[in-house]
Amino acid sequence: SQKIEQNSEALNIQEGKTATLTCNYTNYSPAYLQWYRQDPGRGPVFLLLIRENEKEKRKERLKVTFDTTLKQSLFHITASQPADSATYLCAPTGGGNKLTFGTGTQLKVEL
Amino acid sequence: DAGVIQSPRHEVTEMGQEVTLRCKPISGHDYLFWYRQTMMRGLELLIYFNNNVPIDDSGMPEDRFSAKMPNASFSTLKIQPSEPRDSAVYFCASTLGHHSGANVLTFGAGSRLTVL
Repeated sequence: SQKIEQNSEALNIQEGKTATLTCNYTNYSPAYLQWYRQDPGRGPVFLLLIRENEKEKRKERLKVTFDTTLKQSLFHITASQPADSATYLCAPTGGGNKLTFGTGTQLKVEL
Repeated sequence: DAGVIQSPRHEVTEMGQEVTLRCKPISGHDYLFWYRQTMMRGLELLIYFNNNVPIDDSGMPEDRFSAKMPNASFSTLKIQPSEPRDSAVYFCASTLGHHSGANVLTFGAGSRLTVL
């Protein structure tokens, strides 16, 4: 069956460092992969979408990579700030309209 | 646009009672999704609609759950009878479908349900 794995343990890093979050998937051939941010008490908010033919996508301090051979996406936040603290969810999609999410990784950026 | 609007934001009810959650999608969006989020299982897709028609309800856990979309601006998720294990945050999301399938979802703020 299809499976999406994100680190269930919280990631704690110091302000100014680069945070790297991992999304692994199995039994999927996604044409796209999306990343969302979720703050406590709120719904997820879209951040970035990367297509299978794109190796890397950037938006301000965010960078996403997509390796279809490894079946993995990495999500990087450079020069992290306490305001980046949130849960980050990945959603590989096969090109249909149905989005299935990983369980998310909680990021805590400390001063 | 005010975004996806869900009500109620919080609901506390007793086991056996009927619960109705409501959603108003973004105007012009033709897809609407209902998700449930718990610590144990994360964000699970329950059902989604296209142009008010249910397309995939394979995530609906039991017959106690039902969802309707009587028009393009309103959807309900009903649980009858409710059970303590239904306690979760229920999210509604909408999107304008693209033929390419690269659909970005806009979520509501969620309805937190507690069944005692």
